[in-house]
Amino acid sequence: AQSVAQPEDQVNVAEGNPLTVKCTYSVSGNPYLFWYVQYPNRGLQFLLKYITGDNLVKGSYGFEAEFNKSQTSFHLKKPSALVSDSALYFCAVKNDAGKSTFGDGTTLTVKP
Amino acid sequence: GAGVSQTPSNKVTEKGKYVELRCDPISGHTALYWYRQSLGQGPEFLIYFQGTGAADDSGLPNDRFFAVRPEGSVSTLKIQRTERGDSAVYLCASSSSLGGNTEAFFGQGTRLTVV
Repeated sequence: AQSVAQPEDQVNVAEGNPLTVKCTYSVSGNPYLFWYVQYPNRGLQFLLKYITGDNLVKGSYGFEAEFNKSQTSFHLKKPSALVSDSALYFCAVKNDAGKSTFGDGTTLTVKP
Repeated sequence: GAGVSQTPSNKVTEKGKYVELRCDPISGHTALYWYRQSLGQGPEFLIYFQGTGAADDSGLPNDRFFAVRPEGSVSTLKIQRTERGDSAVYLCASSSSLGGNTEAFFGQGTRLTVV
């Protein structure tokens, strides 16, 4: 069975500092990994994905994520956080058949 | 349409009643997914369709839950004899294909409250 773990319920950072939101996964076959963001009263929005190739993936709003096969991790990162990045972030793994499994989410709070 | 549309946005129903939740995917998207999200948790897979057929319905919790997509576009999630434990936000998403490498586009969800 596939699974996703987001070990931190909450991440707090100061504006301008780098941020990391952690994700580890388990899946049979090729891992297709995704990050989604959920702002208050809005639907989940796609941020970025890893399919194959370069382990560092760049996405929307200056976010990037690093795929590490040996550690089965796909941590979300941003060099300089903005207050507007405050939201709920979900990591997801998808298998070859198209079935997605989501983590329980991490609330990111960026303080001015 | 421009995005995935879910109706109603909110539904309050009495225990034991029947409800239908509708999802209108992005035009041309062949894959459609239903998830359930409870407070403090991530989306929980229920069922997904490729075209008109359910490719995987292993996430439906019991036989009170059923979903259809008769023409390969709009989908309806049907819940019979609702229970208070069914209260959650029901999310629909669509993607251009079922392949593992495609991202999903989500609707804003239907908040179901069973009283």
